[in-house]
Amino acid sequence: KQEVTQIPAALSVPEGENLVLNCSFTDSAIYNLQWFRQDPGKGLTSLLLIQSSQREQTSGRLNASLDKSSGRSTLYIAASQPGDSATYLCAVKSMETSGSRLTFGEGTQLTVNP
Amino acid sequence: GAVVSQHPSWVICKSGTSVKIECRSLDFQATTMFWYRQFPKQSLMLMATSNEGSKATYEQGVEKDKFLINHASLTLSTLTVTSAHPEDSSFYICSPKQGQETQYFGPGTRLLVL
Repeated sequence: KQEVTQIPAALSVPEGENLVLNCSFTDSAIYNLQWFRQDPGKGLTSLLLIQSSQREQTSGRLNASLDKSSGRSTLYIAASQPGDSATYLCAVKSMETSGSRLTFGEGTQLTVNP
Repeated sequence: GAVVSQHPSWVICKSGTSVKIECRSLDFQATTMFWYRQFPKQSLMLMATSNEGSKATYEQGVEKDKFLINHASLTLSTLTVTSAHPEDSSFYICSPKQGQETQYFGPGTRLLVL
């Protein structure tokens, strides 16, 4: 059974800092890995999706890497802004006996202080 | 990206009543619908998976007679929480998928059972 862990659980940084969020998963047989953003009381916004054959994806100030063999992914946020404050969720799509499914980590709650 | 709506966004009900949550995929046909539940400061947990016209498959520990899922059309799925109790208070998120394409997420429904 796939398990996804995110470290740290919470992070508070001053505006302008570059930061890294970590995600690890136990089963390396994945289809893809996705990073989401969730604002309080809201649904999910997809940020980046990395296919299992890819090593990284970039979108603006965000860069996500994937090391499938070691079961790790990182989300790098450059020049953080107060508007980046949210919970960031990592989710892995893998095949299980019941079919493919997304397994989510518990998230990293990010606060960027002005 | 695809547009997914959920209704209602907020619901407060008395213990023992039933609550129906609707999820609509507005611009694509959802052949598969996932329903997730998220308790405060926890990640999304898959409750059940349904394919259009078929009975839903429930995750271990999720009572199928308590959480009724109907996926009668390719654009509408409903989750009914029957005889709701305070421990059912949670954030419910639907996630429709078309074929093997990207899985999208609704904005969520917050349920508070008094």
